[in-house]
Amino acid sequence: AQSVTQPDIHITVSEGASLELRCNYSYGATPYLFWYVQSPGQGLQLLLKYFSGDTLVQGIKGFEAEFKRSQSSFNLRKPSVHWSDAAEYFCAVGARATNKLIFGTGTLLAVQP
Amino acid sequence: KAGVTQTPRYLIKTRGQQVTLSCSPISGHRSVSWYQQTPGQGLQFLFEYFSETQRNKGNFPGRFSGRQFSNSRSEMNVSTLELGDSALYLCASGGGGSTQETQYFGPGTRLLVL
Repeated sequence: AQSVTQPDIHITVSEGASLELRCNYSYGATPYLFWYVQSPGQGLQLLLKYFSGDTLVQGIKGFEAEFKRSQSSFNLRKPSVHWSDAAEYFCAVGARATNKLIFGTGTLLAVQP
Repeated sequence: KAGVTQTPRYLIKTRGQQVTLSCSPISGHRSVSWYQQTPGQGLQFLFEYFSETQRNKGNFPGRFSGRQFSNSRSEMNVSTLELGDSALYLCASGGGGSTQETQYFGPGTRLLVL
């Protein structure tokens, strides 16, 4: 069965520090992978996606993610965090035959001044 | 292009009532999916509609139903509301019809069941 694991429920980083949010997935074939961000009381905003090709994908707001098939991971990174990045981040996996997304439990990011 | 719109944004109902939520996808998009978000269960897929047909369904009871109109707008209905149905209901809009496309989410409808 497909599943997504985000091991870190809550992360606190200092403004200007680098960030890496972990995501591991379980899926029998090549997955479609997504990262979304959700600010309080808001919907989900797409940060980036991986369908195929280059395993390092660039997204909005300076985020990037790397697909590592051997580790079943799709970690999200940002070299320098801004206070406005404080939000909840969700990793999701999709299957080829459906638009259904399976989401991880999310990682809540706090940014210290 | 306007984004995904959902109405109403907030709703308060009592147990046993029914509720209808509405979602208008991005212009030109034909796929609409619905998700339920709760603190305990996280984000869970309810169902997906494409060209007025339900294409996929999640593991929710039959009290949860939906439909899609010819203009791609979608409604979701929950009958006989239970306290546990309190959640943020998110609608996602997808493009031209091939499976697994990028989905864009609306702001959600927050439902409180008393």
